[in-house]
Amino acid sequence: AQSVSQHNHHVILSEAASLELGCNYSYGGTVNLFWYVQYPGQHLQLLLKYFSGDPLVKGIKGFEAEFIKSKFSFNLRKPSVQWSDTAEYFCAVRTGAGSYQLTFGKGTKLSVIP
Amino acid sequence: EAQVTQNPRYLITVTGKKLTVTCSQNMNHEYMSWYRQDPGLGLRQIYYSMNVEVTDKGDVPEGYKVSRKEKRNFPLILESPSPNQTSLYFCASSSGALNTEAFFGQGTRLTVV
Repeated sequence: AQSVSQHNHHVILSEAASLELGCNYSYGGTVNLFWYVQYPGQHLQLLLKYFSGDPLVKGIKGFEAEFIKSKFSFNLRKPSVQWSDTAEYFCAVRTGAGSYQLTFGKGTKLSVIP
Repeated sequence: EAQVTQNPRYLITVTGKKLTVTCSQNMNHEYMSWYRQDPGLGLRQIYYSMNVEVTDKGDVPEGYKVSRKEKRNFPLILESPSPNQTSLYFCASSSGALNTEAFFGQGTRLTVV
């Protein structure tokens, strides 16, 4: 079964700092990759997704992610964070095998200090 | 508007009292699933359904039941809730194929005392 690892449990940044959240997955075949964001008390929102093509994917709110197949990675980046980016971020992967299950990482909590 | 609707949003219940959390989608999706979210553990899949009358266990199915009698509905049933089922629950739906995204409901916060 596939698994997803998010390297950081809690990241604290000052406003305007750059952000990179790591995500690695453990499946060697075709994958769909996603980053979701969950603001405090709210449901999951899709930030961006990768299905195929250009490995650099741009999402909403200035976020982007890069798919590096050789490293099984899909790291999330933002050049300059804002206080409103304070949230929990989840990486998820779906494979073409079996049940098309969406497997999530354990999440990274981002706190942005004004 | 495409959406996944869960009810109730908040529920406090007592140990052993059967409950059902409903989930409905209006996108004619074949694939529906339930997740529970716990601090430090992310989202873990409880059950999924690939079509009407087809359901299967996810990673943490113990203590839960589901049914899929109609395409749009996928209720989650807790026959005898216990305090370790206190969690935030999400329902999701998708077309079930690769290269599609999943749509999530607003979540149900369940507390079992």
